Amino acid sequence: KAGVTQTPRYLIKTRGQQVTLSCSPISGHRSVSWYQQTPGQGLQFLFEYFSETQRNKGNFPGRFSGRQFSNSRSEMNVSTLELGDSALYLCASSLEAVGTEAFFGQGTRLTVV
Amino acid sequence: GENVEQHPSTLSVQEGDSAVIKCTYSDSASNYFPWYKQELGKRPQLIIDIRSNVGEKKDQRIAVTLNKTAKHFSLHITETQPEDSAVYFCAASITNTGNQFYFGTGTSLTVIP
Repeated sequence: KAGVTQTPRYLIKTRGQQVTLSCSPISGHRSVSWYQQTPGQGLQFLFEYFSETQRNKGNFPGRFSGRQFSNSRSEMNVSTLELGDSALYLCASSLEAVGTEAFFGQGTRLTVV
Repeated sequence: GENVEQHPSTLSVQEGDSAVIKCTYSDSASNYFPWYKQELGKRPQLIIDIRSNVGEKKDQRIAVTLNKTAKHFSLHITETQPEDSAVYFCAASITNTGNQFYFGTGTSLTVIP
């Protein structure tokens, strides 16, 4: 069974640009969440999608957005990139609707210069 | 929202000794508490989890305890081995709202051979 796949693995962008990251969950998983990981801050929740609907949203500015497609694949978009957006972005998928193990992808390392 | 604090941020132990990592949470509605291990350059992986209707759970050398009254939970690793060296994250979730996890800031565990 394939794991959670994130593409691309690495990205370098310039301030002011926008970026789209992709996540393919484990087959059969309908819940997809996104996290930002930075040194010293741990993992901070961005948003969660279930059945193409955003179910939860963290405390990030509106520049961060996402969506989920009918096949459960998800994308997140960051517009008007800032230096502080440099981080590892992790996607996680879960089988059940609530309260079960989250399986993480290997992440997309975004560097904003 | 939920706030999870984790201590210590770094921990060094001799091989064969025990390691204990402690977390506190703020929202009494949290009812699912997973622990993730992240090795350098790899994705976080679930090592053990506990639900609020259980006080303790063990899996070989790893155990987790939960004190709902005090709102804290701990990870215990016995007979530590060099391969236990990694960053460990605790998390809390309110399962009736979705798969949104609030993570601690992580503990970097080093097991000295």
